[in-house]
Amino acid sequence: AQSVTQLDSHVSVSEGTPVLLRCNYSSSYSPSLFWYVQHPNKGLQLLLKYTSAATLVKGINGFEAEFKKSETSFHLTKPSAHMSDAAEYFCVVSSDSGSARQLTFGSGTQLTVLP
Amino acid sequence: DGGITQSPKYLFRKEGQNVTLSCEQNLNHDAMYWYRQDPGQGLRLIYYSQIVNDFQKGDIAEGYSVSREKKESFPLTVTSAQKNPTAFYLCATKQDREGRGYTFGSGTRLTVV
Repeated sequence: AQSVTQLDSHVSVSEGTPVLLRCNYSSSYSPSLFWYVQHPNKGLQLLLKYTSAATLVKGINGFEAEFKKSETSFHLTKPSAHMSDAAEYFCVVSSDSGSARQLTFGSGTQLTVLP
Repeated sequence: DGGITQSPKYLFRKEGQNVTLSCEQNLNHDAMYWYRQDPGQGLRLIYYSQIVNDFQKGDIAEGYSVSREKKESFPLTVTSAQKNPTAFYLCATKQDREGRGYTFGSGTRLTVV
């Protein structure tokens, strides 16, 4: 069994300040972890993924996430928020990267960026 | 019970043939999506539809086509123009504005032989 908890349903930051979106997971297997972003009226876009290589993962648009096994966390960060970052973000865990049936999505975090 | 039905679960196709994957939902969700998953790749968006009779291309739409004639149905056709169609295909819905998160179908594994 596996689960994903996104600790904040809404996060609001000012433009130019850091972003932190929190994600905790549980999995019986060595998981693969993903962060996806969805902009309004668009589909999901993959930001970054962790698949048992380096624990600090760099993604697109300046985002990165650190896999911490001891804390079962995979928080998403960005040093400086842009207005274009306003979107909904999903943390996803997969116990088998080759099988979509094992995908578990978090409930999402809505990021608002204030001018 | 509300949910998404994808059929068939496994599909084999000869090179050069078109094939249509079915996705039906009874959740009354507005938005429907088709994703493709390859090992280690994560989900990649093929097409999506926000309302009936309207759909948009995703990141990897080449070689695919869709229709949205009914709210409940969003079939995906994999055409012979798709150069590497062997993959796992997932249909998803999302209830816009009010709902949170996605509902996924069980997927269709397409193999080209």
